[in-house]
Amino acid sequence: QQQVKQSPQSLIVQKGGISIINCAYENTAFDYFPWYQQFPGKGPALLIAIRPDVSEKKEGRFTISFNKSAKQFSLHIMDSQPGDSATYFCAASPLYSSNTGKLIFGQGTTLQVKP
Amino acid sequence: ETGVTQSPTHLIKTRGQQVTLRCSSQSGHNTVSWYQQALGQGPQFIFQYYREEENGRGNFPPRFSGLQFPNYSSELNVNALELDDSALYLCASSQGLEDIQYFGAGTRLSVL
Repeated sequence: QQQVKQSPQSLIVQKGGISIINCAYENTAFDYFPWYQQFPGKGPALLIAIRPDVSEKKEGRFTISFNKSAKQFSLHIMDSQPGDSATYFCAASPLYSSNTGKLIFGQGTTLQVKP
Repeated sequence: ETGVTQSPTHLIKTRGQQVTLRCSSQSGHNTVSWYQQALGQGPQFIFQYYREEENGRGNFPPRFSGLQFPNYSSELNVNALELDDSALYLCASSQGLEDIQYFGAGTRLSVL
């Protein structure tokens, strides 16, 4: 029940295309859903995050869509650029419980954007 | 850069040895969380420290232990190292339990 399942494992997109990464969770206590971007040799960096009181959040070219009833959320990268090539992780945690801040991560998606 | 620094960057140990990893949190942050990231996997939560007290632990054995100091920096200690402990160890700091976690670049531990 603690798992977050992420797909696809890898993704190749042409420059200018849309990259879509999906995550699903089981634990209904989760109410904070961040996406992290990780480049080789670096730690994960927060990209964008959403709470379940909204169904969509957009920041620049990055959008999170959230479906509470299906317990799914996804990351859309519009106008994908070669500089977006990295590994992306979804994560989840409760916000107001004894497990606050204990992020549960998906398995990661390696994105390659071809020029 | 996040302002979270980890040392050392790389470490090689042999099975059965002990290791200490260090994390300096971002200024103003009182919460430190440690994660283990195996190759090709997502980070797994080890434990969290809030104002010098352990505030929760993931599914890791007691040979993984930690400390948080008055300046909120932190240490991760692993005793009796096993081959499967080879991984990237990440430290993340935040202003509080509910706030954004900022990750360091990690310590790459190899156990031979």
